[in-house]
Amino acid sequence: GESVGLHLPTLSVQEGDNSIINCAYSNSASDYFIWYKQESGKGPQFIIDIRSNMDKRQGQRVTVLLNKTVKHLSLQIAATQPGDSAVYFCAENISGGSNYKLTFGKGTLLTVNP
Amino acid sequence: KAGVTQTPRYLIKTRGQQVTLSCSPISGHRSVSWYQQTPGQGLQFLFEYFSETQRNKGNFPGRFSGRQFSNSRSEMNVSTLELGDSALYLCASSLGEAAKNIQYFGAGTRLSVL
Repeated sequence: GESVGLHLPTLSVQEGDNSIINCAYSNSASDYFIWYKQESGKGPQFIIDIRSNMDKRQGQRVTVLLNKTVKHLSLQIAATQPGDSAVYFCAENISGGSNYKLTFGKGTLLTVNP
Repeated sequence: KAGVTQTPRYLIKTRGQQVTLSCSPISGHRSVSWYQQTPGQGLQFLFEYFSETQRNKGNFPGRFSGRQFSNSRSEMNVSTLELGDSALYLCASSLGEAAKNIQYFGAGTRLSVL
């Protein structure tokens, strides 16, 4: 498959375990955060988003935590499955800014071992 | 509902040539954004078009340009290609302006410049 990144942080977990992927964002003015999943040969796929007025949001098997004090974002995946193997990106945005730019992190490669 | 469609999927060009990439957004989506993805720089924002107008632009040289048609379809053009332009070019569409809406990505066009 195609490589979407080299020298990425990697996380290897056993099937059924919980995964935690971390992301540090750079701009204290960012108020909207998104997690994307990118499988080999595909474009990024939206997973979950969170706005800065929240510190936690849950989806199906995923939870995003936001710590604005230390500018840290995490994605928790419960009961990780082989299909979760992919590169995960966090992205930050200033939604009210006139010069909008969605800034992506470098990504984390998650490998799920059966 | 069909997803974001990018054509072609693969493209090989030589230095100095120009290239045009096409993106058809999800039906009803009015915003189209373009990104460049490389192993070294990750995902970088190129520009966003909304209702046929360029709303925002990333830090790329003027060789990179785009346009959007009345049916929201978008094209991106790169002139005088350089080896460093080899990348995966991703298009994303959103219902409204990208700053405030979830973006949905296509599978990308992989451009190789020889």
